[in-house]
Amino acid sequence: QQQVKQSPQSLIVQKGGISIINCAYENTAFDYFPWYQQFPGKGPALLIAIRPDVSEKKEGRFTISFNKSAKQFSLHIMDSQPGDSATYFCAPQGGSEKLVFGKGTKLTVNP
Amino acid sequence: NAGVMQNPRHLVRRRGQEARLRCSPMKGHSHVYWYRQLPEEGLKFMVYLQKENIIDESGMPKERFSAEFPKEGPSILRIQQVVRGDSAAYFCASSPRGSNEQYFGPGTRLTVT
Repeated sequence: QQQVKQSPQSLIVQKGGISIINCAYENTAFDYFPWYQQFPGKGPALLIAIRPDVSEKKEGRFTISFNKSAKQFSLHIMDSQPGDSATYFCAPQGGSEKLVFGKGTKLTVNP
Repeated sequence: NAGVMQNPRHLVRRRGQEARLRCSPMKGHSHVYWYRQLPEEGLKFMVYLQKENIIDESGMPKERFSAEFPKEGPSILRIQQVVRGDSAAYFCASSPRGSNEQYFGPGTRLTVT
């Protein structure tokens, strides 16, 4: 049973465009919703995270939108840059314990 | 302030040998998590440890795999009698007590020949 479904699997965006990645989850016990960024050969790095008591959080060019009733959250990257080219993972968590990773979205930003 | 450290970064083992992967958490972090990543896939949780205690090992294969986080020294993930299917990247993450945020190391890439 797949607890976390991430889409799309891959995404190609032009420089300056908006990248949108979606994550749907099943476990209502999740109470922390992070996005991680991973470059080839590196470990995942925490990008931005949200708690269910707010519907949106913005940090620079990165925004998380959260829809509790639909059990979905998304990552928006504004003004996408070639340096944003990486694999992005949603990884919701319940109770300060294990992260449950989606399968990842490979983002390519063309110059 | 050093991040999470893992060694070795690359490890090659023949089938049947043992693999030992080490993880030193960030300073002040008392919680350690191990995850495994197969090519082109997301990370899969293996085990969650605090000093001298295994909190959750629900993602750990029942045989050949073990983990520890002693009072002194790094956390160790041990794989006995490795098989080709164990080839993967193994990541360690750490977090301070009471925090949701997990910080990952650079990983150990295990290749079983």
